[in-house]
Formats: sequence, structure tokens, C-alpha cells
Amino acid sequence: TQLLEQSPQFLSIQEGENLTVYCNSSSVFSSLQWYRQEPGEGPVLLVTVVTGGEVKKLKRLTFQFGDARKDSSLHITAAQPGDTGLYLCAGDRGSTLGRLYFGRGTQLTVWP
Amino acid sequence: KAGVTQTPRYLIKTRGQQVTLSCSPISGHRSVSWYQQTPGQGLQFLFEYFSETQRNKGNFPGRFSGRQFSNSRSEMNVSTLELGDSALYLCASSPGQGALHEQYFGPGTRLTVT
Repeated sequence: TQLLEQSPQFLSIQEGENLTVYCNSSSVFSSLQWYRQEPGEGPVLLVTVVTGGEVKKLKRLTFQFGDARKDSSLHITAAQPGDTGLYLCAGDRGSTLGRLYFGRGTQLTVWP
Repeated sequence: KAGVTQTPRYLIKTRGQQVTLSCSPISGHRSVSWYQQTPGQGLQFLFEYFSETQRNKGNFPGRFSGRQFSNSRSEMNVSTLELGDSALYLCASSPGQGALHEQYFGPGTRLTVT
């Protein structure tokens, strides 16, 4: 059983469309991170959210941490083919020092 | 700063053999975590080392083991390889202390067991 559930598992859209990826849990996290992984590479950290209700923007990407710190979302505006990749959320429970809990990821494909 | 490096990048082994993978963390990072990634299971946590001590362990059989050296470099070993061990093995480093446990991943070692 995954501590973090991501949805949707797959997303295939046209360039210019908007999309939202969700990361949900019944557990509380002290922080939550989003990573993007491209084929043949390791995941790359995009952002860390720490405070409940926090919103962070990274160009066309908007990340939100739920008020109760149990869930997060990633919204991409006007998706581009370069956004294609596997998006992973990962949570730090704080009580387990040094360990992150990863969701299974959302595979995003953006077609030109 | 140089990123996380993993060697080798690709490896082909046969069932029953053993394998050792190596990871060099970012300079100054004292925590190294190992993950197994497969299409069906996603990223599965193997273990985490901090200052040469295993601090966390995932739910993998004892065939999977690791260690960390005084310079923070880490190795993981898989003995008696099975076909199901074919996967991308990822290493990630982090400072290991402080409020945020942000991880920086290497490119991975692609292990194929035949």
C-alpha cells in the first residue's frame, strides 16, 4: 500500500492545454516535494512545500500544499512538449528521519 | 558542485550471480538513499545510510544489502540475483540534517538479470 497516491497515473494532452496532477494521503507530512524524471535519468527536484496552504510557482508550474498537509497538487498551464516526463511526489513524515515516501508517479506526455 | 554519480550505468548479469553498485554523493552530503524503480512498482525504498550507519530500511529481502564509507560513498550489493531484480537502481544524496530532506538523484544503474 502506497502512503501517497498519485492521480492520474497517465496523462496525454496536446500542447497548450492545462492540467492538474494530484498527490493524496491520509497521513500528515512535514513537507512534500515534487520531482520530474525523464527517460534514462534520475528524478530532479522541482519544489518543496512546507506550510499548509502554501502555493509555489515555478514558471508555468503551480504547486499547492493542502491546508492539513495531507495532499498536494501540481498545475501546469499551457503545457509544452518539454514538460513531458514522470512527475513524482514525495513526502517527509518528519518522524522517520532521513526517509522520503514516494508516490507511483504520473506519466505526462505532451504532444506538439 | 558535481552531482551524484553512479557506476556502472548498465549491467547485465545472470540468475544466481551477485552484483555491487556504487554511488558517490554530492560533496558534503552525508545521507545516501537507495531505490529500486520498476514500471510496475514505481520507486521502492531500499535503505538509507547516514554517517556510515543504516538509518532506515525498506521491505526488501536480506539479499539486498548496503554500506557507506567514511567519505560518504555508498555501495549496495544484491546476492543470488533473480529475474525480478531487473530494474533501475537509483541513489540519492542529501545533507542528512536540517528541516528539509531534499534528495538529489544520480542517473541510476540499469540492471538486467537474464
